[in-house]
Amino acid sequence: GESVGLHLPTLSVQEGDNSIINCAYSNSASDYFIWYKQESGKGPQFIIDIRSNMDKRQGQRVTVLLNKTVKHLSLQIAATQPGDSAVYFCAEDSGGSNYKLTFGKGTLLTVNP
Amino acid sequence: GAGVSQSPSNKVTEKGKDVELRCDPISGHTALYWYRQSLGQGLEFLIYFQGNSAPDKSGLPSDRFSAERTGGSVSTLTIQRTQQEDSAVYLCASSRGVQETQYFGPGTRLLVL
Repeated sequence: GESVGLHLPTLSVQEGDNSIINCAYSNSASDYFIWYKQESGKGPQFIIDIRSNMDKRQGQRVTVLLNKTVKHLSLQIAATQPGDSAVYFCAEDSGGSNYKLTFGKGTLLTVNP
Repeated sequence: GAGVSQSPSNKVTEKGKDVELRCDPISGHTALYWYRQSLGQGLEFLIYFQGNSAPDKSGLPSDRFSAERTGGSVSTLTIQRTQQEDSAVYLCASSRGVQETQYFGPGTRLLVL
């Protein structure tokens, strides 16, 4: 899993398996969270977001879970594919700024065919 | 539709030289952000523009860094007297408004020799 301030963790999975990437955030006032995917040499790509009045949100093959009690965010990817290989960042809108995102350092996901 | 574009994609410069990095946001997006990403790190907020409001420059690391946004659209990030520690990927993002999804460009990879 990932936590803001730590070195880049890695996750290796087999194609077709489900992946879970974790993120711990520090600011209990944060009310908006986003997951981004970044492939090598490219900018971050928006995957899914969630606001603090929700604890779960689903997209296409992805689900984000938010546990505000323990300040934990996770991204679940179903039926992981080689194209999912990338660095995944969680970001939080911290301090009620309504715009300034604080990013974690990312988790490197490697999908083995 | 067209996404955020940045130019140049790569820039190599000598220590002490000035550089200008350009960002073209998504048409109609009122908010524009600059971030910096050092090797293997998460994204570090630099500066934020919203409409005609004064920009939030709180993330700029030194007075050698400045940014402008002309006509509420294109933005230029200028780094004066570049130093080797300025080497990083500079990412621009735009959003329709505050606390809306930020969409990133591909970044400019700056190398200061």
